[in-house]
Amino acid sequence: SQQGEEDPQALSIQEGENATMNCSYKTSINNLQWYRQNSGRGLVHLILIRSNEREKHSGRLRVTLDTSKKSSSLLITASRAADTASYFCATDADGSLVTQGGSEKLVFGKGTKLTVNP
Amino acid sequence: DTAVSQTPKYLVTQMGNDKSIKCEQNLGHDTMYWYKQDSKKFLKIMFSYNNKELIINETVPNRFSPKSPDKAHLNLHINSLELGDSAVYFCASSQGRAGHYEQYFGPGTRLTVT
Repeated sequence: SQQGEEDPQALSIQEGENATMNCSYKTSINNLQWYRQNSGRGLVHLILIRSNEREKHSGRLRVTLDTSKKSSSLLITASRAADTASYFCATDADGSLVTQGGSEKLVFGKGTKLTVNP
Repeated sequence: DTAVSQTPKYLVTQMGNDKSIKCEQNLGHDTMYWYKQDSKKFLKIMFSYNNKELIINETVPNRFSPKSPDKAHLNLHINSLELGDSAVYFCASSQGRAGHYEQYFGPGTRLTVT
């Protein structure tokens, strides 16, 4: 079953602008991860945020997590053409009972396709 | 050095054939995965192995059979290929349990069944 839903499905911005992508999920989680996928390539891990964390930074990336709203956002600041890719959130639960220590699998959302125009 | 490698990168075959995709990771990870990504980019877990032991087997037709000869390798064999099997298949690995560790993905194998 699908857990994460990214919003928007597609986003087109100009270089230098900020890009914000959102992810909503349905059930309790232990962790949430964000991945990037360039066209024709495999996924690349960006950030893992734990359920007891509210915000995490990595370079130009900022991830927030609101467990009360079951949502997360990924902000890319000062975007570059090289940021053009699809971005996916993934959670460690799919609605089944979350056992202590976390689930054995990640459930991915459908992704946001980001286009950064030079 | 490539962390997670898959072969072949492209696979075009006819319905009814049997094919295999190979995956190797040189990260020393304990856990490996197979994912299927459809034409709409939806990525779904198929199998997960931990130290050569199958721990996740999603609702996948039994025409798909994973094999892990050692913890660095996870191969996927598909029997009697069908048109609906056309997709991109990704191998991935992680240090431990899926929810706690980042996953490293291979470049993908684009399977086209005609």
